[in-house]
Amino acid sequence: GAVVSQHPSRVICKSGTSVKIECRSLDFQATTMFWYRQFPKQSLMLMATSNEGSKATYEQGVEKDKFLINHASLTLSTLTVTSAHPEDSSFYICSARDLRGEETQYFGPGTRLLVL
Amino acid sequence: AQSVTQLDSQVPVFEEAPVELRCNYSSSVSVYLFWYVQYPNQGLQLLLKYLSGSTLVKGINGFEAEFNKSQTSFHLRKPSVHISDTAEYFCAVSGGTSYGKLTFGQGTILTVHP
Repeated sequence: GAVVSQHPSRVICKSGTSVKIECRSLDFQATTMFWYRQFPKQSLMLMATSNEGSKATYEQGVEKDKFLINHASLTLSTLTVTSAHPEDSSFYICSARDLRGEETQYFGPGTRLLVL
Repeated sequence: AQSVTQLDSQVPVFEEAPVELRCNYSSSVSVYLFWYVQYPNQGLQLLLKYLSGSTLVKGINGFEAEFNKSQTSFHLRKPSVHISDTAEYFCAVSGGTSYGKLTFGQGTILTVHP
């Protein structure tokens, strides 16, 4: 149980294009999902908290107009990197918290984004 | 604000030896504590967690950790490691006013040598 998937697993795009990453909880419902980015040899940095049916809450320093988050259902959140640039290249990981409120986040396998 | 410190960035160890990965946290309120493992180019897998109750928690793959409130520590241990345990390990804390947000330590790379 508690499986979270991400799609795509890796993506290469040209500078200036937008990229959408999907995060799905496969066997549980999640009112809250989190988006992280991880640079090489570094820890995970929380970008934003995504709540089903409401606006996402962004961490300080994260541009909400650049990283658009939509949490349309209890099992799906999407992160869109708009007008991507090479500095946006990173490993993006999502996590989901079970609706039943257990204090545990389950992580997706991550999406490797490379912007050329 | 909460913070997590993993004191060792890298821990090399020989196969079948015991290992301890250290984690200290700071928080003004009660917290929940977690250890995650990350294999190369993968997401994080939950090893174990402390929410309440017994301070010694057992997780998957033979790992265990002990919550020590007075020392604000949550060290991860395994009595005998395998080559397959080579990975990066993250300690994390949530709770209090963070509304479920996880704060991660810097990570410890465990390398198991034959």
